Amino acid sequence: DTEVTQTPKHLVMGMTNKKSLKCEQHMGHRAMYWYKQKAKKPPELMFVYSYEKLSINESVPSRFSPECPNSSLLNLHLHALQPEDSALYLCASSRGTEHNSPLHFGNGTRLTVT
Amino acid sequence: AQTVTQSQPEMSVQEAETVTLSCTYDTSESDYYLFWYKQPPSRQMILVIRQEAYKQQNATENRFSVNFQKAAKSFSLKISDSQLGDAAMYFCAYRRWGSNYQLIWGAGTKLIIKP
Repeated sequence: DTEVTQTPKHLVMGMTNKKSLKCEQHMGHRAMYWYKQKAKKPPELMFVYSYEKLSINESVPSRFSPECPNSSLLNLHLHALQPEDSALYLCASSRGTEHNSPLHFGNGTRLTVT
Repeated sequence: AQTVTQSQPEMSVQEAETVTLSCTYDTSESDYYLFWYKQPPSRQMILVIRQEAYKQQNATENRFSVNFQKAAKSFSLKISDSQLGDAAMYFCAYRRWGSNYQLIWGAGTKLIIKP
């Protein structure tokens, strides 16, 4: 069982829809991450939150909007997406961004934009 | 800039046999971390093994072990007694010392286990 829980597992949305991806961890980790992964490719970092503050935004388009309501939760709000945004979205957490601690990943949300 | 290269897009091995996945990297830094992650069809990215560059001893985790050659900038993964559950994409990754978010990933190797 994964210690990082992502919902939903699958999401199909139109280009005019607004939806949100959710991620939750209860390991006391203070850093949380969003990655985008295309098929048969490695993950690409999108955002990093450290102590509930956005510390890294890897030039992600504004149609993706992250939110960290508390240390256990991480959301990714989606609006006006494009078909090329279809991908697996992975959430991860770690003790901190400075620590020698590996990333713990969730099972991901498979997003299809129609 | 650091780069990670996995030269084997796909590998196959007979169940119970041993297989080695290769990974090379390029860096000018002396302190860093190296990781092997496994991603099965379930999609979860799972840490298999990690190595601190300052440690000369190769890391091992049960059936998984690495051959870390710092001078050659090589970090291969050996899987002994391969099992059907080992079938997955394997990614090699590099992380700078002290920074967790700067993971540099290889392109991945798809491992097929033949029963």
